[in-house]
Amino acid sequence: IAGITQAPTSQILAAGRRMTLRCTQDMRHNAMYWYRQDLGLGLRLIHYSNTAGTTGKGEVPDGYSVSRANTDDFPLTLASAVPSQTSVYFCASSSDRDTGELFFGEGSRLTVL
Amino acid sequence: GQNIDQPTEMTATEGAIVQINCTYQTSGFNGLFWYQQHAAEAPTFLSYNVLDGLEEKGRFSSFLSRSKGYSYLLLKELQMKDSASYLCAVTSGNYQLIWGAGTKLIIKP
Repeated sequence: IAGITQAPTSQILAAGRRMTLRCTQDMRHNAMYWYRQDLGLGLRLIHYSNTAGTTGKGEVPDGYSVSRANTDDFPLTLASAVPSQTSVYFCASSSDRDTGELFFGEGSRLTVL
Repeated sequence: GQNIDQPTEMTATEGAIVQINCTYQTSGFNGLFWYQQHAAEAPTFLSYNVLDGLEEKGRFSSFLSRSKGYSYLLLKELQMKDSASYLCAVTSGNYQLIWGAGTKLIIKP
């Protein structure tokens, strides 16, 4: 049982480059989320998707974009990376956005130089 | 604004009991989660409280008082593997999930 798979697990990236973090779940969950986690701060929501075909902005969406072409996949793209986007990124899913427990991927550690 | 407060770090002894507090101020309330996160790993679900009172699950218990905007996570018979960060999160009135910064728990032998 895989749950949620993220790739890559770690990446060093030059500023200005484009980067896509991949996220795939096999639980048929409707809702999916992208968070960033920085030292001393709580998880901050970047973008979310309540169901395939729909997306929404979270707390810190600037500089990021997402798509939800199907139920399983929810990639996060940094169009032109900046050093402030250095962080650990977690993808998560839940059966129901309103009340469901979140299941997290293992995280992608991104360093932008 | 909306915020969640929890201590940054706590230290406890193996075999003892520790209580991690969480206070929240949110626009509405629909539930409170506790997650455990070991270093360099993903958060994992521990508990979910909707109604006031204590929910017990093995060595871990979670308490909620909605009138006080307060919750705590109680860990009994502490083991070294309990060394981790514990994240408090509240689902607000519009079902937005708001996260605390987490409490790093250090267990000493």
